[in-house]
Amino acid sequence: EVQLLESGGDLVHPGGSLRLSCGASGFTFNNYGVSWVRQAPGKGLEWVSAISGSGGSMYFADSVRGRFTISRDNSNNMVYLQMNSLRAEDTALYYCARGTDAMDYWGQGTLVTVSS
Amino acid sequence: QSALTQPASVSGSPGQSITISCTGTSRDIGGYDYVSWYQQHPGKAPKLLIHDVSDRPSGVSWRFSGSKSDNTASLTISGLQAEDEADYYCSSYTSSATWVFGGGTKLSVL
Repeated sequence: EVQLLESGGDLVHPGGSLRLSCGASGFTFNNYGVSWVRQAPGKGLEWVSAISGSGGSMYFADSVRGRFTISRDNSNNMVYLQMNSLRAEDTALYYCARGTDAMDYWGQGTLVTVSS
Repeated sequence: QSALTQPASVSGSPGQSITISCTGTSRDIGGYDYVSWYQQHPGKAPKLLIHDVSDRPSGVSWRFSGSKSDNTASLTISGLQAEDEADYYCSSYTSSATWVFGGGTKLSVL
Protein backbone atom coordinates (compact mmCIF):
# COMPACT_ATOMS: atom_id res chain seq x y z
CA GLU A 1 0.00 0.00 0.00
CA VAL A 2 1.35 3.40 -1.01
CA GLN A 3 1.73 5.73 1.96
CA LEU A 4 3.16 9.20 2.47
CA LEU A 5 3.60 10.76 5.88
CA GLU A 6 4.57 14.36 6.51
CA SER A 7 6.16 15.65 9.70
CA GLY A 8 7.98 18.68 11.00
CA GLY A 9 5.22 21.26 11.05
CA ASP A 10 5.31 23.69 13.96
CA LEU A 11 4.72 27.24 15.15
CA VAL A 12 7.62 29.47 14.09
CA HIS A 13 8.33 33.19 14.27
CA PRO A 14 8.53 35.32 11.13
CA GLY A 15 12.02 35.08 9.68
CA GLY A 16 12.52 31.64 11.18
CA SER A 17 13.26 28.29 9.58
CA LEU A 18 11.67 24.86 9.54
CA ARG A 19 12.37 21.55 7.81
CA LEU A 20 9.48 19.39 6.72
CA SER A 21 9.92 15.69 6.07
CA CYS A 22 7.92 13.33 3.88
CA GLY A 23 8.40 9.61 4.39
CA ALA A 24 7.20 7.23 1.70
CA SER A 25 6.51 3.51 1.53
CA GLY A 26 4.81 0.95 -0.67
CA PHE A 27 6.40 1.82 -4.02
CA THR A 28 9.77 2.08 -5.76
CA PHE A 29 10.63 5.49 -4.39
CA ASN A 30 13.30 6.62 -6.84
CA ASN A 31 10.95 6.01 -9.78
CA TYR A 32 8.75 8.94 -8.80
CA GLY A 33 8.97 12.66 -8.43
CA VAL A 34 7.51 14.16 -5.26
CA SER A 35 5.63 17.41 -4.91
CA TRP A 36 4.84 19.71 -1.98
CA VAL A 37 1.48 21.46 -2.07
CA ARG A 38 0.16 23.79 0.61
CA GLN A 39 -3.25 24.97 1.66
CA ALA A 40 -3.72 28.07 3.79
CA PRO A 41 -6.63 27.90 6.25
CA GLY A 42 -9.90 28.11 4.34
CA LYS A 43 -8.10 28.63 1.01
CA GLY A 44 -7.29 26.63 -2.09
CA LEU A 45 -4.35 24.48 -3.06
CA GLU A 46 -1.02 26.09 -3.96
CA TRP A 47 1.80 24.15 -5.60
CA VAL A 48 5.08 24.87 -3.76
CA SER A 49 7.91 22.66 -4.98
CA ALA A 50 8.80 19.38 -6.62
CA ILE A 51 11.81 17.13 -7.06
CA SER A 52 12.50 14.48 -9.68
CA GLY A 53 12.96 10.81 -8.82
CA SER A 54 16.73 11.02 -9.03
CA GLY A 55 16.83 14.28 -7.14
CA GLY A 56 18.66 15.94 -10.00
CA SER A 57 15.89 18.37 -10.90
CA MET A 58 14.16 20.69 -8.49
CA TYR A 59 11.31 23.11 -9.10
CA PHE A 60 9.90 26.00 -7.07
CA ALA A 61 6.97 28.36 -7.12
CA ASP A 62 7.91 32.04 -7.45
CA SER A 63 6.46 32.66 -3.99
CA VAL A 64 9.08 30.45 -2.31
CA ARG A 65 12.05 30.47 -4.72
CA GLY A 66 15.19 31.58 -2.95
CA ARG A 67 13.73 30.81 0.49
CA PHE A 68 12.83 27.12 0.23
CA THR A 69 14.97 24.20 -0.88
CA ILE A 70 13.97 20.62 -1.60
CA SER A 71 16.01 17.45 -1.35
CA ARG A 72 15.55 13.72 -1.15
CA ASP A 73 17.27 10.68 0.34
CA ASN A 74 16.42 7.74 -1.88
CA SER A 75 18.16 5.28 0.42
CA ASN A 76 15.67 6.12 3.17
CA ASN A 77 12.63 7.01 1.05
CA MET A 78 12.51 10.58 2.35
CA VAL A 79 11.91 14.01 0.84
CA TYR A 80 12.68 17.21 2.71
CA LEU A 81 11.47 20.78 2.34
CA GLN A 82 13.78 23.28 4.01
CA MET A 83 11.91 26.53 4.61
CA ASN A 84 13.88 29.66 5.50
CA SER A 85 12.91 33.31 5.98
CA LEU A 86 9.38 32.25 6.79
CA ARG A 87 6.56 34.76 6.44
CA ALA A 88 3.04 34.92 7.80
CA GLU A 89 1.74 34.05 4.33
CA ASP A 90 3.57 30.70 4.50
CA THR A 91 1.10 29.58 7.17
CA ALA A 92 -0.63 26.53 5.75
CA LEU A 93 -1.14 22.80 5.84
CA TYR A 94 1.69 21.31 3.79
CA TYR A 95 1.04 18.12 1.85
CA CYS A 96 3.53 15.93 0.08
CA ALA A 97 2.28 13.96 -2.90
CA ARG A 98 3.68 11.28 -5.19
CA GLY A 99 4.19 12.55 -8.70
CA THR A 100 4.25 15.93 -10.38
CA ASP A 101 1.98 16.12 -13.42
CA ALA A 102 -0.36 13.64 -11.74
CA MET A 103 -0.20 13.65 -7.94
CA ASP A 104 -1.79 10.30 -7.30
CA TYR A 105 -1.13 9.70 -3.60
CA TRP A 106 -1.12 12.32 -0.87
CA GLY A 107 -0.20 12.42 2.78
CA GLN A 108 -2.46 13.91 5.43
CA GLY A 109 -0.41 17.08 5.76
CA THR A 110 1.64 18.85 8.43
CA LEU A 111 0.68 22.27 9.77
CA VAL A 112 3.06 25.21 9.61
CA THR A 113 2.09 28.35 11.49
CA VAL A 114 4.20 31.49 11.12
CA SER A 115 3.31 34.00 13.80
CA SER A 116 4.93 36.20 16.38
CA GLN B 1 2.36 31.95 -12.04
CA SER B 2 -1.22 33.19 -11.89
CA ALA B 3 -3.73 30.64 -10.66
CA LEU B 4 -5.95 29.01 -13.25
CA THR B 5 -9.50 30.37 -13.30
CA GLN B 6 -12.35 28.22 -12.02
CA PRO B 7 -15.90 29.19 -11.08
CA ALA B 8 -16.19 29.62 -7.32
CA SER B 9 -19.23 27.37 -7.11
CA VAL B 10 -21.48 25.13 -9.15
CA SER B 11 -24.53 23.15 -8.17
CA GLY B 12 -26.71 20.38 -9.50
CA SER B 13 -29.38 17.91 -8.52
CA PRO B 14 -28.82 14.18 -8.02
CA GLY B 15 -28.68 12.40 -11.36
CA GLN B 16 -27.82 15.50 -13.35
CA SER B 17 -24.53 16.27 -15.07
CA ILE B 18 -22.38 19.30 -14.34
CA THR B 19 -19.23 20.72 -15.91
CA ILE B 20 -16.50 22.70 -14.16
CA SER B 21 -14.29 24.85 -16.35
CA CYS B 22 -10.64 25.74 -15.79
CA THR B 23 -9.20 28.54 -17.88
CA GLY B 24 -5.52 29.23 -18.31
CA THR B 25 -3.26 30.48 -21.08
CA SER B 26 -1.11 29.14 -23.90
CA ARG B 27 1.72 28.94 -21.35
CA ASP B 28 -0.06 26.31 -19.30
CA ILE B 29 -3.28 24.53 -20.28
CA GLY B 30 -3.05 25.48 -23.93
CA GLY B 31 0.57 24.42 -24.27
CA TYR B 32 0.60 21.02 -22.60
CA ASP B 33 -1.59 17.97 -22.09
CA TYR B 34 -0.64 17.83 -18.41
CA VAL B 35 -3.94 18.86 -16.88
CA SER B 36 -5.14 17.11 -13.75
CA TRP B 37 -8.26 17.35 -11.61
CA TYR B 38 -8.53 16.74 -7.87
CA GLN B 39 -11.44 16.26 -5.49
CA GLN B 40 -11.17 17.37 -1.87
CA HIS B 41 -13.71 16.67 0.83
CA PRO B 42 -13.61 18.84 3.98
CA GLY B 43 -10.74 17.94 6.26
CA LYS B 44 -9.34 15.41 3.80
CA ALA B 45 -6.38 15.29 1.47
CA PRO B 46 -7.03 15.85 -2.23
CA LYS B 47 -7.75 12.86 -4.45
CA LEU B 48 -6.63 12.57 -8.07
CA LEU B 49 -9.61 12.19 -10.42
CA ILE B 50 -8.19 12.89 -13.88
CA HIS B 51 -4.66 13.23 -15.27
CA ASP B 52 -3.21 14.04 -18.70
CA VAL B 53 -6.44 15.91 -19.58
CA SER B 54 -8.75 12.92 -19.76
CA ASP B 55 -7.21 9.79 -18.20
CA ARG B 56 -8.88 8.27 -15.15
CA PRO B 57 -6.74 6.48 -12.56
CA SER B 58 -7.77 2.99 -11.60
CA GLY B 59 -10.60 3.09 -9.10
CA VAL B 60 -12.04 6.46 -10.12
CA SER B 61 -15.66 6.30 -11.23
CA TRP B 62 -16.50 6.50 -14.95
CA ARG B 63 -18.84 9.34 -14.00
CA PHE B 64 -15.82 11.66 -13.93
CA SER B 65 -14.44 12.75 -17.31
CA GLY B 66 -12.04 15.44 -18.52
CA SER B 67 -11.45 17.34 -21.73
CA LYS B 68 -9.59 20.34 -23.09
CA SER B 69 -10.12 22.91 -25.80
CA ASP B 70 -7.53 25.60 -26.44
CA ASN B 71 -6.73 27.22 -23.09
CA THR B 72 -9.69 25.76 -21.18
CA ALA B 73 -9.98 22.38 -19.51
CA SER B 74 -13.23 20.92 -18.25
CA LEU B 75 -14.30 18.32 -15.72
CA THR B 76 -17.71 16.73 -16.23
CA ILE B 77 -19.45 14.75 -13.52
CA SER B 78 -22.32 12.60 -14.78
CA GLY B 79 -25.11 11.17 -12.65
CA LEU B 80 -24.44 13.46 -9.70
CA GLN B 81 -24.48 11.79 -6.30
CA ALA B 82 -24.59 13.32 -2.84
CA GLU B 83 -21.05 12.07 -2.17
CA ASP B 84 -19.76 14.22 -5.05
CA GLU B 85 -20.31 17.33 -2.94
CA ALA B 86 -16.74 18.59 -2.46
CA ASP B 87 -14.18 21.09 -3.68
CA TYR B 88 -12.61 20.48 -7.09
CA TYR B 89 -9.26 21.78 -8.31
CA CYS B 90 -7.60 21.73 -11.70
CA SER B 91 -3.85 21.77 -12.18
CA SER B 92 -1.53 22.24 -15.13
CA TYR B 93 2.15 22.13 -15.96
CA THR B 94 3.50 25.51 -17.15
CA SER B 95 6.15 26.79 -19.52
CA SER B 96 8.14 27.96 -16.48
CA ALA B 97 8.67 24.33 -15.45
CA THR B 98 6.29 24.76 -12.55
CA TRP B 99 2.78 23.60 -11.81
CA VAL B 100 -0.24 25.75 -11.03
CA PHE B 101 -3.62 25.02 -9.46
CA GLY B 102 -6.96 26.63 -10.10
CA GLY B 103 -8.67 28.55 -7.33
CA GLY B 104 -11.07 25.69 -6.67
CA THR B 105 -14.78 25.13 -7.26
CA LYS B 106 -17.24 24.18 -4.56
CA LEU B 107 -19.80 21.70 -5.85
CA SER B 108 -23.15 21.59 -4.10
CA VAL B 109 -25.52 18.70 -4.73
CA LEU B 110 -28.98 20.07 -4.06
